[in-house]
Amino acid sequence: EPEVTQTPSHQVTQMGQEVILRCVPISNHLYFYWYRQILGQKVEFLVSFYNNEISEKSEIFDDQFSVERPDGSNFTLKIRSTKLEDSAMYFCASRAGIQNTEAFFGQGTRLTVV
Amino acid sequence: DAKTTQPTSMDCAEGRAANLPCNHSTISGNEYVYWYRQIHSQGPQYIIHGLKNNETNEMASLIITEDRKSSTLILPHATLRDTAVYYCIVRPNQAGTALIFGKGTTLSVSS
Repeated sequence: EPEVTQTPSHQVTQMGQEVILRCVPISNHLYFYWYRQILGQKVEFLVSFYNNEISEKSEIFDDQFSVERPDGSNFTLKIRSTKLEDSAMYFCASRAGIQNTEAFFGQGTRLTVV
Repeated sequence: DAKTTQPTSMDCAEGRAANLPCNHSTISGNEYVYWYRQIHSQGPQYIIHGLKNNETNEMASLIITEDRKSSTLILPHATLRDTAVYYCIVRPNQAGTALIFGKGTTLSVSS
């Protein structure tokens, strides 16, 4: 069964450093998403991406965040200057372009900012 | 903000049916009801979705009331591995619209 793959599974970084979280969505899917989940809290939407541009973003997705689809397979989330409060699980998801289809989520990257 | 209301937690005995309710009284005509679950800290897992008819798949059944203001997810024979947080999400019928998660219901299945 096709799946969304995220790497690395766990990343530790120092405050102020840049990090790039990587995702390989399901082949032929057209819509891509990033979510985060701070420990003990709910899953929060960050951004959606379609046709090589951001289609929707939340208030959390400020200037320190950026997304990119650098090639035909990867979808990345960059955090420019990490803060302690960026520590969270980050989930990538993808959806086929057909309406009413489900989104598939990866297993997440645990980001720890120290 | 999430447009659904779910109980914070529920318990279920292993082998029994788990019935998880969800209220979505402000649902619009073009919005679907989706159910996802999250086991521990894994990525959310799709379970089922529907518009107005009842739906069934290999994982669960979804019962939507005629006025569409509430629904129930049914796990017919709960197992210990069904212990998870279950999310009921209302989503417009647009291909790219993101899922917005609420706090969900923590289902605990015990032997």
